[in-house]
Amino acid sequence: AQKITQTQPGMFVQEKEAVTLDCTYDTSDQSYGLFWYKQPSSGEMIFLIYQGSYDEQNATEGRYSLNFQKARKSANLVISASQLGDSAMYFCAMREGGGGFKTIFGAGTRLFVKA
Amino acid sequence: DAMVIQNPRYQVTQFGKPVTLSCSQTLNHNVMYWYQQKSSQAPKLLFHYYDKDFNNEADTPDNFQSRRPNTSFCFLDIRSPGLGDAAMYLCATSSWGNSNQPQHFGDGTRLSIL
Repeated sequence: AQKITQTQPGMFVQEKEAVTLDCTYDTSDQSYGLFWYKQPSSGEMIFLIYQGSYDEQNATEGRYSLNFQKARKSANLVISASQLGDSAMYFCAMREGGGGFKTIFGAGTRLFVKA
Repeated sequence: DAMVIQNPRYQVTQFGKPVTLSCSQTLNHNVMYWYQQKSSQAPKLLFHYYDKDFNNEADTPDNFQSRRPNTSFCFLDIRSPGLGDAAMYLCATSSWGNSNQPQHFGDGTRLSIL
């Protein structure tokens, strides 16, 4: 069965520093997609970054990068130069390949950015 | 801009009184999802529609129903809300066949039960 594990319930980071949010996954599929979403206290889910299982390079989107280690089944999110507005809940998610419907989410990590 | 819109943003209902949450999309996506999210938890998939095909998750209570009258609209009906149904309800869409594309979420409806 597919599973996403986020082992950090909460993380603190100083403003302007980098932070890594951990995510490990388990699947028997060869084709899958990994996503990170941000959820501020207002509730909306904001897509941040995507990594495909066949992508050889780590994904980057502005201050977000994904440290993809396929053999270890990990897909950690790195946020560089943290800003106060980065304080939010962050979810790692996996979608089955082949145009599959279902996306499963990890339990989330709440990030607190300190001024 | 193409988007997913949920109405209302906040909904208050009484214990046992039926309530309907709505979701509309301008993305023309063929898949629509409903998630329930309780405080500080991951979203939990209730069901999804692929076009008109309805797919219920095995552990979704019978109290929850859904309708999708056309591509653009999808409704979540809670027939007899209990206190445990108080949560954020998120609607999302995606396009089948594009597994590298993220789901697009609405802003959610926060449901309170009195």
